[in-house]
Amino acid sequence: EADIYQTPRYLVIGTGKKITLECSQTMGHDKMYWYQQDPGMELHLIHYSYGVNSTEKGDLSSESTVSRIRTEHFPLTLESARPSHTSQYLCASSESADTGELFFGEGSRLTVL
Amino acid sequence: QKEVEQNSGPLSVPEGAIASLNCTYSDRGSQSFFWYRQYSGKSPELIMSIYSNGDKEDGRFTAQLNKASQYVSLLIRDSQPSDSATYLCAGPTGGGADGLTFGKGTHLIIQP
Repeated sequence: EADIYQTPRYLVIGTGKKITLECSQTMGHDKMYWYQQDPGMELHLIHYSYGVNSTEKGDLSSESTVSRIRTEHFPLTLESARPSHTSQYLCASSESADTGELFFGEGSRLTVL
Repeated sequence: QKEVEQNSGPLSVPEGAIASLNCTYSDRGSQSFFWYRQYSGKSPELIMSIYSNGDKEDGRFTAQLNKASQYVSLLIRDSQPSDSATYLCAGPTGGGADGLTFGKGTHLIIQP
């Protein structure tokens, strides 16, 4: 089983609140990713990182931001949550993207009222 | 924008039969493809990868890649109820970006 952890698993908050979704991995992987997935829809890459101090935006435009101060930690932050941010957020890591093997966390399901 | 297309299903297959899942992709330059399985309420997990034309077998699973037709498939032999899940096809995002581009997934139901 992959050693990648996300907290919180479920979060219900009001509009305008600032939230941070935590993601940590103990595999020493340099590459980490955040995907967004709505029910019955495909995963969309919103952020990724090649390593410490590296962050890049993915295919899907997102109002969230990320940071990578430590190899094992890749938090995602929404400064002011809106109902349109309601979704499942999946964090993943990879030793090498060339292998296609992404190890996913269990996800954080966010509901913004 | 690279695209990975799958029939969302549901695809219903009797237990013990062969389940055939298909995927097409838009980028002729893609060299590798991956099949992920996602159980309801869970995260995706990698089950097969394929890097060259032809077939690749792993237990009950066979992945097939046809680069000329831009077509990838996954065959599951002797289907079991535990195979019921959504199967996601994925290819490298490319274009200087890292990560994978996923299809919407095919929902497979194995009927006991």
